[in-house]
Amino acid sequence: SQTIHQWPATLVQPVGSPLSLECTVEGTSNPNLYWYRQAAGRGLQLLFYSVGIGQISSEVPQNLSASRPQDRQFILSSKKLLLSDSGFYLCAWSIRGRSNQPQHFGDGTRLSIL
Amino acid sequence: AQSVSQHNHHVILSEAASLELGCNYSYGGTVNLFWYVQYPGQHLQLLLKYFSGDPLVKGIKGFEAEFIKSKFSFNLRKPSVQWSDTAEYFCAVNAGGTSYGKLTFGQGTILTVHP
Repeated sequence: SQTIHQWPATLVQPVGSPLSLECTVEGTSNPNLYWYRQAAGRGLQLLFYSVGIGQISSEVPQNLSASRPQDRQFILSSKKLLLSDSGFYLCAWSIRGRSNQPQHFGDGTRLSIL
Repeated sequence: AQSVSQHNHHVILSEAASLELGCNYSYGGTVNLFWYVQYPGQHLQLLLKYFSGDPLVKGIKGFEAEFIKSKFSFNLRKPSVQWSDTAEYFCAVNAGGTSYGKLTFGQGTILTVHP
């Protein structure tokens, strides 16, 4: 069966520090991968998606970047964190080429910027 | 651009009451529709989905939803809620086709069920 792992679960970082959140998927090949940010009362906002290695599309302008160095690995990064980057970050995967199939979500990372 | 609107931010019910959570979307083309649930301390998981066929779809744990194309709605229902249904519920839509499965989510509805 397929599983998705995100780490760390919780992170506290000072303003201006770098960030690296990692997401890996097991049990499937060639997935679509997504990063979302969840804000209280505002649902989930899609930040990035990827349909293949090295292929990243950004949905909203922001201080963050994403990379996909391997087929089942998706990384969310920042060189210098801002206070506004605080939030709950979720990684998800879906079957490539099948938009009617659901996305499967990781447990998320709660990021607090001090 | 697509948007999804969930009518209620917080719904409070007693056990055995009936539930209906509203969801409306704005998009003129073919859509795939989803309801996700997030129980306290757990990850987001799929309740049910609609992409074609019978507009009344049934999901896990006794939930169902009805797609009404003319109203751009996909409301979630359950005849009799339980305390264990306490969670946050999200409606989501993607445009199908070459949308790469990208989901647009509603703001979420927190459901609290009192025993």
